[in-house]
Formats: sequence, structure tokens, C-alpha cells
Amino acid sequence: GENVEQHPSTLSVQEGDSAVIKCTYSDSASNYFPWYKQELGKGPQLIIDIRSNVGEKKDQRIAVTLNKTAKHFSLHITETQPEDSAVYFCAPDSNYQLIWGAGTKLIIKP
Amino acid sequence: DTAVSQTPKYLVTQMGNDKSIKCEQNLGHDTMYWYKQDSKKFLKIMFSYNNKELIINETVPNRFSPKSPDKAHLNLHINSLELGDSAVYFCASSQGLPSTYEQYFGPGTRLTVT
Repeated sequence: GENVEQHPSTLSVQEGDSAVIKCTYSDSASNYFPWYKQELGKGPQLIIDIRSNVGEKKDQRIAVTLNKTAKHFSLHITETQPEDSAVYFCAPDSNYQLIWGAGTKLIIKP
Repeated sequence: DTAVSQTPKYLVTQMGNDKSIKCEQNLGHDTMYWYKQDSKKFLKIMFSYNNKELIINETVPNRFSPKSPDKAHLNLHINSLELGDSAVYFCASSQGLPSTYEQYFGPGTRLTVT
């Protein structure tokens, strides 16, 4: 079946610095690549997504880049703020469903 | 106006009991889901319904039974609860197929089995 790996599992960055989380997947037929953010005590929420015909997408401080050849996509957060502290999940699609990564806990140090 | 709501928010019960969790969405979505999140934050899809029809049924003990009375509701019934069922259960919904549309999650139900 589809294999999804997310790295790192924990990421600690200084407030104002950038954070990058990488997701690798195995299904070459994947076409949809979302990132979800889960704050403490809440359900996950979509923050950005990209489809296979696009290499990069930006939304203010957040960006996602896709390398279909290498089968990985990454989440980039610039100028990190305390409210960015959360668990982030990648969830590429495979066989008409999302396959969730194990999550990355992002800690923003003041 | 809550988009996806779940009740109860917390559920503490003893092994062997039967319990239900209810979910409702007011987004007009066609597809609803149940997820289980364990203590290590792993999110696992359990079931998905599209227009009241089961479309995803992952390897889940048959003690878990979903019921979709209409497009806006998806309930989860659990029989003979076990310690390993302790987790946070999330309901979610999307406009269409899970591989294409954003999923909207409820606040979760924390189930503790003692």
C-alpha cells in the first residue's frame, strides 16, 4: 500500500526563523498534496494544498513545493510566530483517499 | 455556527460497555468520515460515507459500526469497549471525494476506557 513519511517528527525553531517539513510518498499516481495543521485540543485544519500540475504555491507566510519526480513535497513557513506552534500533517492522496503522515510537532521558541 | 459538531466531547466508560458518538455537519457536504487519533497523534481513517453509502471501510474491528441516517449525520457505535479503544475520535466532512476536496474536522471526542 501507499507509504507516507514525514520528517522531522519534531522541529524547534526560534521565533522569526523559517521552518521546513518534508513529506515523501510512494504512490506515483498521487495528484493531491495537502498540509493540515492541528492545534492543541482541536481537529486538523487545511492550511495549504497543491495539485500535481503545479510546482509551488504560496499563501502569505506559508508555501508548499512539490517534486513529483522525487515523490516528495514540503511545507515552508517563514517568519514563524508563536501561533504556528502545532502539529502539522501531510496527507497525499492514493486510491481516492488521503494517506496521513505521522505528523511533525513544530515548537516556536520565544 | 459550528460546521462539524460532535457529541459528547468527553466519554469515560468501562470495558465491555457499548457507546455511541454522534456527528453532524451543516456544510451541505456529501462525504463524511470517522478518524481515530491515538496518543502518539497518528491519524487513522476508519470509515467514510458518500451520500449515505459506505465508500471507505478500513481494517477496523467489527465492534465499530457507523450509521448514516442522512447526509448530514454520521454516528459511530462501539460495542464491547476495550482499553485499546481509548483515543480521540474525529468526525470530518468534505464536499466530495476525499482525494480532491478539503476535509473539515469536528472538535473530537476523547474516549477513555477504564
